[in-house]
This record gives sequence, C-alpha cells and structure tokens, in this order.
Amino acid sequence: DAKTTQPPSMDCAEGRAANLPCNHSTISGNEYVYWYRQIHSQGPQYIIHGLKNNETNEMASLIITEDRKSSTLILPHATLRDTAVYYCIVEYGNKLVFGAGTILRVKS
Amino acid sequence: DTGVSQDPRHKITKRGQNVTFRCDPISEHNRLYWYRQTLGQGPEFLTYFQNEAQLEKSRLLSDRFSAERPKGSFSTLEIQRTEQGDSAMYLCASSLITTGSSYEQYFGPGTRLTVT
Repeated sequence: DAKTTQPPSMDCAEGRAANLPCNHSTISGNEYVYWYRQIHSQGPQYIIHGLKNNETNEMASLIITEDRKSSTLILPHATLRDTAVYYCIVEYGNKLVFGAGTILRVKS
Repeated sequence: DTGVSQDPRHKITKRGQNVTFRCDPISEHNRLYWYRQTLGQGPEFLTYFQNEAQLEKSRLLSDRFSAERPKGSFSTLEIQRTEQGDSAMYLCASSLITTGSSYEQYFGPGTRLTVT
C-alpha cells in the first residue's frame, strides 16, 4: 500500500506558485521522498527527490519538514503544461508504490 | 523523451492470444522495472531486474505473465492467453543503482494493450 496521503485535486492560477502537500507520517529513516508527475496518456515523469534536506532543481523545489513526516512540492511559476497528476512516493530503492496522487489543474 | 523506449505503443488483440512487449532502457542503467496502469489508477509494480537477474515479482504477475532481460539490456514482457482484464497501459522504467545513490526511475511512454 502507498505510504503517503495527498489531496485528490488542487487548482492553481497560471504564473503562480503551486504548492502540493504530502503526508508520510510512517516514513522510516532510510526512505527517500520522490515526486513524479503524469500528464495524460504519458509515462510518469521524475521531478525531484530528497532524504532530509530541502532540494531544488530546474523543475521544482522539495521542502521536507524536520521530522520528515510531511513534504511540499513547489512549482514556482505554474504553466498550463504543468496540469497533471502528481504522485508523492516514499521508498528506498526497488519498486515505487504509487497512490492516487493529486490532480493539479493550472488555469489561465 | 526520457531515453526509455517501448514497442509497440499500442496493441489490440483478441482474448486468448499471446502478446509480447519490448522495452529498451537507458543504455547504462542496470535496473529495469515493469508496471501496469489501469484507467484512473496509479501505476502498479509488476517486476524488476538488476542486470539479467529478475529480483522481485508482484503477486499481480500471474503465471500467464513472464518477463525476461536476457543480456541485461532490453527486456520483454509476454502475456499468454490474454484476458479482457489484462487491458491496461504497460510501463517500463529504468534506473542506475550504485552504492549509496538514490534511485530515480525514468519511464518509457508505455504500451497500451486492448484485449477484445
């Protein structure tokens, strides 16, 4: 079973920051937090991952709370092309266990 | 384009027929994964290989399913005696596992199977 809880859907205005929350209260010490997204009819796309520290790359930022029980994915300037299902996954190596994810709708 | 390719992209078959899908991972990646995704659901893990060794199989992988990665490069997934419930998107992903590294997976575009 998925070890994360995400809101089923969120809306965001184009050009604004999209903040997607994820709860993972049972995360263990060696498990990473991964974020993937899936645009309709395509394969999932890796976004970012982290263990303890906040991370940033060209796509997004990942903020992990100090107790590691929750995290937030931040898309700094959302565009219409960011409309997708966003999956938060905790895992150490091996297989990914996907939950239902959050449907993010970016609106103009 | 992630560098992971899958063939075919679409397959329509009649119930009872056998089908085979191919996945070509990113060339230096030593791990290869298969997932299945039905409409409205997240992908579900089926199996994974490290090089040519199949290390884990899900309970979802019935006896009608078999996967191979004979030379540690491309992989095939075969479904024998297809059933309508096998209709889904079959996704392949690859990753590079090294000591102390994390394991982001890169997915292909998927093969959509329709069993009539």
